[in-house]
Amino acid sequence: DAKTTQPTSMDCAEGRAANLPCNHSTISGNEYVYWYRQIHSQGPQYIIHGLKNNETNEMASLIITEDRKSSTLILPHATLRDTAVYYCIVYTGTASKLTFGTGTRLQVTL
Amino acid sequence: EAGVAQSPRYKIIEKRQSVAFWCNPISGHATLYWYQQILGQGPKLLIQFQNNGVVDDSQLPKDRFSAERLKGVDSTLKIQPAKLEDSAVYLCASSSLGGGGYNEQFFGPGTRLTVL
Repeated sequence: DAKTTQPTSMDCAEGRAANLPCNHSTISGNEYVYWYRQIHSQGPQYIIHGLKNNETNEMASLIITEDRKSSTLILPHATLRDTAVYYCIVYTGTASKLTFGTGTRLQVTL
Repeated sequence: EAGVAQSPRYKIIEKRQSVAFWCNPISGHATLYWYQQILGQGPKLLIQFQNNGVVDDSQLPKDRFSAERLKGVDSTLKIQPAKLEDSAVYLCASSSLGGGGYNEQFFGPGTRLTVL
């Protein structure tokens, strides 16, 4: 699976949009971009995934660049409960494993 | 819908002792995963089961770690004997057989192992 690069940490004010970038310049055509997050002392939680098109669900939006070499996870109105480590993962969509990196630690502040 | 259950939540043992963790996945989920998460790192897959069979155990230290999934439901992960570097959170996850690249894994709360 392709490797990803994410900033180590980011801060965001409560109520503002949190934009978390991810670089995956070696992504292959059949690889999906997945985002998970891990709140302190909990297991990771699925957020969203996409292949080429932008995606939106009740938790977040995923913007994938046209060349698919990078993506941005957007939390439109961050709350204190969104403080977590966010993992960007590329995945082939077969039985192969999800490979977690070290992620971005997002701190949402008042 | 009940989530993935794990027990115990915490375990403290001395090195060279044995320990076992238990996982009950979401009902109907065919695929079960065990991950190891060392402090400050992302989870690392140890073993993946699909029903009763092992799909991937390439990163399982087989000289000391073993796992089984009887009847394609519950699973146990055992460490024998434990080393200091095994101190970590052990996460269990499960997923249904999705198509089209869909692989939402549901994680349990994990077992925090401390080896002294």
